[in-house]
Amino acid sequence: AQSVTQPDIHITVSEGASLELRCNYSYGATPYLFWYVQSPGQGLQLLLKYFSGDTLVQGIKGFEAEFKRSQSSFNLRKPSVHWSDAAEYFCAVGALNAGNMLTFGGGTRLMVKP
Amino acid sequence: EPEVTQTPSHQVTQMGQEVILRCVPISNHLYFYWYRQILGQKVEFLVSFYNNEISEKSEIFDDQFSVERPDGSNFTLKIRSTKLEDSAMYFCASRAARVMLHEQFFGPGTRLTVL
Repeated sequence: AQSVTQPDIHITVSEGASLELRCNYSYGATPYLFWYVQSPGQGLQLLLKYFSGDTLVQGIKGFEAEFKRSQSSFNLRKPSVHWSDAAEYFCAVGALNAGNMLTFGGGTRLMVKP
Repeated sequence: EPEVTQTPSHQVTQMGQEVILRCVPISNHLYFYWYRQILGQKVEFLVSFYNNEISEKSEIFDDQFSVERPDGSNFTLKIRSTKLEDSAMYFCASRAARVMLHEQFFGPGTRLTVL
């Protein structure tokens, strides 16, 4: 069965500082990997996705993530955090079957200090 | 930009009552999903739906739950007899049919409160 672990429940960074959110997955084949962001009271917005090819993927809002098969990781990064980035971030792995259900990690809540 | 919509945004019900949560997926999408998120917990898959039938469901999706696509635009989740533990945010999602477009687009959610 597929699973996703986000080791950090809460992270606080200063505005302008760099950010890395960790994600580890367990899946039997090449995974489809996603990062979603959820602002308070909002739905889930896709930041970026990895299917195949270049292991460094670029997303919206200046985010990027790197797929490392050897470490079963898909960490999210941003070089300079803005106050508006404060939100909850979810890593997810997608199944390869027709249903393509997503399995989510527990989320990391990002707080940004001025 | 097309988006998934959900109604109502908040539903309060008494334990044992039936509720129907409604979703309008993106119009050219063919795969539909329901997920739920209990407060403070992770988002959990409930069910996927394609070609007018359930393609996959989780252990959470027991006989109290059902899904339907009653017309060409709506996708509904029914809970027959709500329990306190059904209180959660319920998200609908949809995706396009082409294999490589596995991105699921999520609606804003319906917060269900069971009293």
